[in-house]
Amino acid sequence: GAVVSQHPSRVICKSGTSVKIECRSLDFQATTMFWYRQFPKQSLMLMATSNEGSKATYEQGVEKDKFLINHASLTLSTLTVTSAHPEDSSFYICSAYAVQGLGAQETQYFGPGTRLLVL
Amino acid sequence: GENVEQHPSTLSVQEGDSAVIKCTYSDSASNYFPWYKQELGKRPQLIIDIRSNVGEKKDQRIAVTLNKTAKHFSLHITETQPEDSAVYFCAASRGSYIPTFGRGTSLIVHP
Repeated sequence: GAVVSQHPSRVICKSGTSVKIECRSLDFQATTMFWYRQFPKQSLMLMATSNEGSKATYEQGVEKDKFLINHASLTLSTLTVTSAHPEDSSFYICSAYAVQGLGAQETQYFGPGTRLLVL
Repeated sequence: GENVEQHPSTLSVQEGDSAVIKCTYSDSASNYFPWYKQELGKRPQLIIDIRSNVGEKKDQRIAVTLNKTAKHFSLHITETQPEDSAVYFCAASRGSYIPTFGRGTSLIVHP
């Protein structure tokens, strides 16, 4: 299947600092990527849709100034958690759609996730 | 918008038994129903999916059934093994539209 990578896999930071998470599509181009947040034992919560070359679309209740998204190329989207606080500690996962194989339809592939811990 | 309900939230079975997880959806226009398996601390992995033009799909020990009229779909795992233990998520979407996920089912397979 298609490969989506994320970096870093784990980050610990002090309260008030900003953290940047990268999401890359390794073997395909993705005009659209998605950012999810997942709390322990809970489902995936869509935060925003990242569109290459344009502004991201944020879900209701997600602060766009808090979670900055940049999709500067067809293979890279970044999520920056600005002025992080302990309540921002979570598992952040990106995803992208890819078409695999002749005649296949699009399938969503997830990155490995980034575990953020804000002290 | 779409609303996906998933049951049960926790499922405990003995090794070798079958496990069934059920989901319902609200948007009759949804036509793509993937199932993901997520092990602790790892990414969700697509294990099987079904599109609205078929009623059932099987891949070895895993099968998915879809009832469009009733708007529900189910995941069936036969001959469960301890390595099947994980959280399973169903989802529903219209093609490439952003999927709506269920709340997840924690499957525990006891040796």
